[in-house]
Amino acid sequence: QQKVQQSPESLIVPEGGMASLNCTSSDRNVDYFWWYRQHSGKSPKMLMSIFSNGEKEEGRFTVHLNKASLHTSLHIRDSQPSDSALYLCAASEASGSWQLIFGSGTQLTVMP
Amino acid sequence: GGIITQTPKFLIGQEGQKLTLKCQQNFNHDTMYWYRQDSGKGLRLIYYSITENDLQKGDLSEGYDASREKKSSFSLTVTSAQKNEMAVFLCASSRDINERLFFGHGTKLSVL
Repeated sequence: QQKVQQSPESLIVPEGGMASLNCTSSDRNVDYFWWYRQHSGKSPKMLMSIFSNGEKEEGRFTVHLNKASLHTSLHIRDSQPSDSALYLCAASEASGSWQLIFGSGTQLTVMP
Repeated sequence: GGIITQTPKFLIGQEGQKLTLKCQQNFNHDTMYWYRQDSGKGLRLIYYSITENDLQKGDLSEGYDASREKKSSFSLTVTSAQKNEMAVFLCASSRDINERLFFGHGTKLSVL
């Protein structure tokens, strides 16, 4: 079983709509969560990170973290066609292993 | 800003061949990573290195060797290429543990 699980595998939303992506870790040692975005044919780039319980907002993007359930979610409001990409969630520990483990990703398509 | 350069961009090998992928970064980052990405999927960690001459195995290390000859470079060797294997190998670096990763553009491997 993968240590970092993302859902859904793919998501289609209309332009201007809200996209909601989920990620859960099965590793109780995880402390930090990251969201990376990868456009087709490009390399991943970090979108947002969250280390504390609660919510963090940057423009149209909001991430939530519940450390008790090791669940994070990414919400994109007013989705644009340029947001169409593979969204990758990753998790790491604050101490111990330096590994950054990625999930399988959610493929987001925003329809004009 | 800095850059991560991966060579070659495309690599075609024969079954059973030993193949080497190279990665150079000028960020002066301590930590470097090798990930494998199969088409449209998430990233799987092969090897990482937290400092020069350090090597740590990821979940996918079997069938691969790595070498961190100096701080700026990290190479990956496919010890025996598998027929019909096709994937993109991504190199990344970060300044420190739990800091964002910067990725190279990848080496696309095809094995005939």
